[in-house]
Amino acid sequence: QITLKESGPTLVKPTQTLTLTCTFSGFSFDTDEVIVGWIRQAPGKPLEWLAAIFWHDDKQYTPSLRSRLTITKDASRNQVFLTMTNADHVDTATYYCAHRRRKGDIWFPFDYWGQGTLVTVSS
Amino acid sequence: DIVMTQSPDSLAVSLGDRVTINCKSSQSVLFSSNSKSYVAWYQQKAGQSPKLLIYWASTRESGVPDRFTGSGSGTEFTLTITNFQAEDVAVYFCQQYYRTANTFGQGTRLEIK
Repeated sequence: QITLKESGPTLVKPTQTLTLTCTFSGFSFDTDEVIVGWIRQAPGKPLEWLAAIFWHDDKQYTPSLRSRLTITKDASRNQVFLTMTNADHVDTATYYCAHRRRKGDIWFPFDYWGQGTLVTVSS
Repeated sequence: DIVMTQSPDSLAVSLGDRVTINCKSSQSVLFSSNSKSYVAWYQQKAGQSPKLLIYWASTRESGVPDRFTGSGSGTEFTLTITNFQAEDVAVYFCQQYYRTANTFGQGTRLEIK
């Protein structure tokens, strides 16, 4: 059974750096062709894909936030991290991590999601 | 970026109705090597995480009721809900995962009339 859970600060001040952790179970970067992505959703707004990290450690970022985001993983601890620098009020959102996989040359979408964590950026 | 545009933005539906949500991509999301369109549909109920309903445009995720059907290819896609139930009140998003930088539609909110 695959589960993911996000954790991190609920409140950050503008210009601070935000670090979120996704702790997962039910799959492994070492044995599965999996991708973990971060997606956020501002209140009342659509979903916004932010970043993804692959089993082979390739990393991808949304172009508009590329300079502010860093995604990393600790496969031994089943964790993925997202760091966002220079937080702004517009970054207030619920942040989700989610699981994807590849099988051969077939890619699947996000099939398991965490519960999300609400981050508020405010002074 | 591939832009995903949904219509309508919201819809009031009567129980038992048939509902159609449209999604158009700004470029083709068809993988020629396997002839699959890399479009997914998600359902997000209030206060919950998105739930995958449909992938490859028309494949129903395990456990999803068969009143949910996806169709389309290339750049135009549709999610159809037949016999709308009260538990189907939610926001529905389409998504392209053709590119690693996935993008989502703006969402369609369904409520009961």
